[in-house]
Amino acid sequence: ETGVTQTPRHLVMGMTNKKSLKCEQHLGHNAMYWYKQSAKKPLELMFVYSLEERVENNSVPSRFSPECPNSSHLFLHLHTLQPEDSALYLCASSQAEGTGPYEQYFGPGTRLTVT
Amino acid sequence: AQKVTQAQTEISVVEKEDVTLDCVYETRDTTYYLFWYKQPPSGELVFLIRRNSFDEQNEISGRYSWNFQKSTSSFNFTITASQVVDSAVYFCALRLFETSYDKVIFGPGTSLSVIP
Repeated sequence: ETGVTQTPRHLVMGMTNKKSLKCEQHLGHNAMYWYKQSAKKPLELMFVYSLEERVENNSVPSRFSPECPNSSHLFLHLHTLQPEDSALYLCASSQAEGTGPYEQYFGPGTRLTVT
Repeated sequence: AQKVTQAQTEISVVEKEDVTLDCVYETRDTTYYLFWYKQPPSGELVFLIRRNSFDEQNEISGRYSWNFQKSTSSFNFTITASQVVDSAVYFCALRLFETSYDKVIFGPGTSLSVIP
């Protein structure tokens, strides 16, 4: 595997379900990001982990819970979501140290539909 | 305020035409970085270019070229001789220096359709 991978690619869940999105980066980066992309809206930054510490929580509802067990893996745990949470969820990674800034590399996204 | 504006929501061109995607940014910082990303229908954003605020040289990469003008706070992207594979949403982005990590503000995107 190369780059940034995300699973699943598509997810349909009911409002009472609990599910998790997974992201894995194979680039040796140490910062990882979750973005939400809704139709007709700009990309919204949700969470940032830098060196495995959460450094940004952009006023995201508590029904979204991130987890970063190591610098290569990032999860987004979902529970009791609302229909308006239906969107494309994108994961990205970049280098957190050095003479940056550095560009972010994105995964293909998880298309989430909440019914 | 830090902001990125892409006034063109959707553009359609016929194959082989040239097309320019506009990007205007706002920042009080004197040091900043700008990016362009491409998002094809598959969904993955693909990095195209990074430019820092001290480097106003235009850049050309194949059919792609970028025109950075600090005087007008613009960072426009031109595709020459467009092809169907160029059909995608293109995002301009501004990197802030208020954080140690890469906090980036994305513009709303321009959807480009290249018609064969």
